[in-house]
Amino acid sequence: QQQVKQSPQSLIVQKGGISIINCAYENTAFDYFPWYQQFPGKGPALLIAIRPDVSEKKEGRFTISFNKSAKQFSLHIMDSQPGDSATYFCAASKSSYKLIFGSGTRLLVRP
Amino acid sequence: DGGITQSPKYLFRKEGQNVTLSCEQNLNHDAMYWYRQDPGQGLRLIYYSQIVNDFQKGDIAEGYSVSREKKESFPLTVTSAQKNPTAFYLCASSILGGGSTDTQYFGPGTRLTVL
Repeated sequence: QQQVKQSPQSLIVQKGGISIINCAYENTAFDYFPWYQQFPGKGPALLIAIRPDVSEKKEGRFTISFNKSAKQFSLHIMDSQPGDSATYFCAASKSSYKLIFGSGTRLLVRP
Repeated sequence: DGGITQSPKYLFRKEGQNVTLSCEQNLNHDAMYWYRQDPGQGLRLIYYSQIVNDFQKGDIAEGYSVSREKKESFPLTVTSAQKNPTAFYLCASSILGGGSTDTQYFGPGTRLTVL
């Protein structure tokens, strides 16, 4: 019940395309859902986060879609660029300080 | 220049040795965390601390120890009891404002290799 399942494991997208990464959770008590971006050899950096009282949040080319009834949330990267090539992690927490991370998606954007 | 620093960047350890990884933050954050990252996997929580002189075990605390003597410092010791310590170790910190929206900020990581 504490798991966050992330898919796909890897993703290849052409420049200008849309990258979509999905996450699913079981614990309905989760109330905070961040996405992190990690470049090789670096620490993860917060990209965007959402709470379950909204169904969508957009920041620039990055959008989180949240489906509370399906217990799923996804990251959409519009107009994907080669500089977006990184590993993306979804996470969830339930009013605590412990983030539960998904297993990560390695994104490659081809020029 | 505010942020989280971890040292060293790379660390090599012989089997049977204890090693200590440093984590310092000047963000005045209350909470600090240690995660372990293995290739192709997500981050797993080792220990976390919400206040000086107090810390709690995470999901994979066996073979690790921590201390929190100062607000800005949270060193992690990888002991010889940790059977598979080769991994990328990440330190994070966050403000404790109440609730789950406290963003965790990560350091650059330490890559530990057991020879």
